[in-house]
Amino acid sequence: GENVEQHPSTLSVQEGDSAVIKCTYSDSASNYFPWYKQELGKRPQLIIDIRSNVGEKKDQRIAVTLNKTAKHFSLHITETQPEDSAVYFCAASIGAGANNLFFGTGTRLTVIP
Amino acid sequence: DAGITQSPRHKVTETGTPVTLRCHQTENHRYMYWYRQDPGHGLRLIHYSYGVKDTDKGEVSDGYSVSRSKTEDFLLTLESATSSQTSVYFCAISDGPNTGELFFGEGSRLTVL
Repeated sequence: GENVEQHPSTLSVQEGDSAVIKCTYSDSASNYFPWYKQELGKRPQLIIDIRSNVGEKKDQRIAVTLNKTAKHFSLHITETQPEDSAVYFCAASIGAGANNLFFGTGTRLTVIP
Repeated sequence: DAGITQSPRHKVTETGTPVTLRCHQTENHRYMYWYRQDPGHGLRLIHYSYGVKDTDKGEVSDGYSVSRSKTEDFLLTLESATSSQTSVYFCAISDGPNTGELFFGEGSRLTVL
């Protein structure tokens, strides 16, 4: 199956700075790449996703970029705020079905006020 | 939040005992999933269901069984719990195989002593 690696495992930034989380995947057939945010003690929630026919997608302060040739994708958060502190998971799948969805190991982001 | 409830939310049991976790949804979504979340492993799919009485294995299915007799309920059973099954279990739903977004329940923390 697909192997998704995520880095870094922990990330601390000052409020207002940018944060970047990177993921690589192994199966070149993967074509759907979601990002989930999990606040402490809460359920994971989708924050943004991208499909392989798109190189970049933005939603306010968050953006995701995809490089299919290199098989890596990244989450960018600009102007970080304390409420951005959470664990972020990347994932990859062949098709959008979750039965083929493989998650990375997570990045704990801490935004320091 | 999508209407997903998990029960029990917390359970402590002993090695060798059977355990059943229940996931109940009010969204009438066809697809339901059970994941386990462990430090350093992210979210891993145990089993999923694509309809009543239709289930299939995920990445880490050994030691687990599932049943779905009604659209709204998906049960995860550990026939004989082991300490390696100590984890946080998340149920998730989606409304189709190609719609992408997973909606997660609040999680069930299981400790096997």
